[in-house]
Amino acid sequence: DIQMTQSPSSLSASVGDRVTITCRASQSISRFLNWYQVKPGKAPKLLIYAASILQNGVPSRFSGSGSGTDFTLTITSLQSEDFASYYCLQTYNNLWTFGQGTKVE
Amino acid sequence: QVQLVESGGGLVKPGGSLRLSCAASGFTFSDFYMTWIRQAPGKGLEWISYITYSGTEMSYADSVKDRFSISRDNAKNSIYLQMNSLRAEDTAIYYCARHRRELTRGDWLDSWGPGTLVTVSS
Repeated sequence: DIQMTQSPSSLSASVGDRVTITCRASQSISRFLNWYQVKPGKAPKLLIYAASILQNGVPSRFSGSGSGTDFTLTITSLQSEDFASYYCLQTYNNLWTFGQGTKVE
Repeated sequence: QVQLVESGGGLVKPGGSLRLSCAASGFTFSDFYMTWIRQAPGKGLEWISYITYSGTEMSYADSVKDRFSISRDNAKNSIYLQMNSLRAEDTAIYYCARHRRELTRGDWLDSWGPGTLVTVSS
């Protein structure tokens, strides 16, 4: 199985900060990597797919990059509504795996 | 407007069974794969299973393989998750999601339901 190592597990930030979250795959997954935002009591929300494609309606302050084994989610100017948990998901093969998550607080 | 609504969650004893449903609306259901994901209390997201357009192929996480079974009824715009031999560690919110797939871009989950809570406890 492909393991996804996400870091950090949590981070403390302020409104206006630049935030970077990384995911590393245990083997190359090309660009088959998504990013999701999860808030308590709400359905998870797709932010980025295919490593760098912004989902419709997602603010442009979110961006994704990477390929192979190393991927990054960046929030250029953190807004109050961005305090949440973030997860990467690899969909390279038919056994998908999420990263452990990053809580932005 | 895409809408997904899960149902069927509840309290079940260890070793018991439960069947979850997910009703879809607002899109051509048979044009999409569908997926189940769960989140245990205080834990991260875990992919469980997906099913292809016609329901002829499925994939399962090792943690649920041989205990859970995914199915779909395109006439009813619904997917199901039959969960058998339930364990305490299966306690979680279970989400269904619409699964998009493109050859060059891979797979992603673009719409999610609000989830249904399954609690496995004696």
